Amino acid sequence: GAVVSQHPSRVICKSGTSVKIECRSLDFQATTMFWYRQFPKQSLMLMATSNEGSKATYEQGVEKDKFLINHASLTLSTLTVTSAHPEDSSFYICSARGWGGGEKLFFGSGTQLSVL
Amino acid sequence: AQKVTQAQTEISVVEKEDVTLDCVYETRDTTYYLFWYKQPPSGELVFLIRRNSFDEQNEISGRYSWNFQKSTSSFNFTITASQVVDSAVYFCALSVTGRRALTFGSGTRLQVQP
Repeated sequence: GAVVSQHPSRVICKSGTSVKIECRSLDFQATTMFWYRQFPKQSLMLMATSNEGSKATYEQGVEKDKFLINHASLTLSTLTVTSAHPEDSSFYICSARGWGGGEKLFFGSGTQLSVL
Repeated sequence: AQKVTQAQTEISVVEKEDVTLDCVYETRDTTYYLFWYKQPPSGELVFLIRRNSFDEQNEISGRYSWNFQKSTSSFNFTITASQVVDSAVYFCALSVTGRRALTFGSGTRLQVQP
C-alpha cells in the first residue's frame, strides 16, 4: 500500500481562493518533504524543500508567500496555494524522505489543481 | 548543478518490440543516485529502480533492465517484449548527497501499440 498519502487527489476552485494539500508519511518519519509541480506534458520541477520544524527552502522563482509550506510534524507536510489563479493550475506532488531500515524516499499520488 | 537529459520525447513501438529509453546525466558530485520512475496517465509516480554511483552493475528485473555506464554518464532503461501496459511517461532522475531532492529529466512518453 501507499506509504505516502496525498490529499486531495483533485481539486477545482475559483480564482482567489486558497487550497491546502496534505502529504502524510504513513509508516515512517519523514525528516524532509519535497514539493514538486508538474505542468501538462512537462517534467517535475522542485518547488521547495522542508525539514520538520524549520522553514521551507524555496527554489528560485517560487513565491514563498503564495505557496505556503508547513512541516510541523514528522508525518505531515502541507502546501497551501494562497489566492489561487488559473496559472497555478498544475499537478502538485509531494515526496517524503526518512529513515527506517535504510533511507526511504517515496512520492505521494499527486494533486491535480484546476483554478477556474 | 545537476542535469538530466532524456533526448527522446516520445517513442512509439508495437507490442513485443524491445525499446530502450536513454538517460544522460551531469553532476560534479562523486556520490549520487540515479532513478527511473514510470508515470501512467493517472499521474502517480511508480518507482522502478535506484542505483548509486558506486554500483555500475547492470540490473535486470523481469522484462526491465538497466545499463549504467559512468564513462558516458548514462543510465539507460530497456523494456524487453513491450506490452500495452508499459505505455506511460518514464522519468530518469538524479540526486546528490548535498541535495536530496530529485532532479528529473524531461521524460519520455512511451506508446506501445497493440
